[in-house]
Amino acid sequence: QQQVKQSPQSLIVQKGGISIINCAYENTAFDYFPWYQQFPGKGPALLIAIRPDVSEKKEGRFTISFNKSAKQFSLHIMDSQPGDSATYFCAVYSGAGSYQLTFGKGTKLSVIP
Amino acid sequence: DTGVSQDPRHKITKRGQNVTFRCDPISEHNRLYWYRQTLGQGPEFLTYFQNEAQLEKSRLLSDRFSAERPKGSFSTLEIQRTEQGDSAMYLCASSLALSEGSTDTQYFGPGTRLTVL
Repeated sequence: QQQVKQSPQSLIVQKGGISIINCAYENTAFDYFPWYQQFPGKGPALLIAIRPDVSEKKEGRFTISFNKSAKQFSLHIMDSQPGDSATYFCAVYSGAGSYQLTFGKGTKLSVIP
Repeated sequence: DTGVSQDPRHKITKRGQNVTFRCDPISEHNRLYWYRQTLGQGPEFLTYFQNEAQLEKSRLLSDRFSAERPKGSFSTLEIQRTEQGDSAMYLCASSLALSEGSTDTQYFGPGTRLTVL
């Protein structure tokens, strides 16, 4: 059973454009939704995270939109830059005594000049 | 650099050999996690420590895998009798739990890439 479904698998965006990555989850017990960014040869790094009590969170060019009823959340990267080219993972964190993160399969973003 | 460090960064071994990886978490972080990441996939949880106690283990962690965190500081992950299917990136993460049940940010190390021939 795949608890987190992430799409698209890959994304090509022009410099200055908006990158949108979506995730859907199944378990309503999840209570923390981070996005991680990973460059080749590096470990994932936390980009931004949201809790289900808010519908949107913005940090600089990065915004998470959260739809609790639809069990979906998305990452928007405004004014995408070539330096944003990386693989992005959504994750869910169940809490309730379990501290593991469950990751999506990732989206490889390429921002072209 | 005060981030999570892992050693070695790369390991090539022959099938059937034992390997051991080390993770040094961020100082004062009381939680430590091990994940495995294969090509084109997201990290998959293996196990988690709160201080020196191993509190959660994934079913992915077969009996050939063992992890320790003596004294609640660094951790080691050992794989015995390696198989080609063990080839992956092994990631360590750490976090600081301010209270029981708190949701804390997990900071990942650069990983150890294991290749089993």
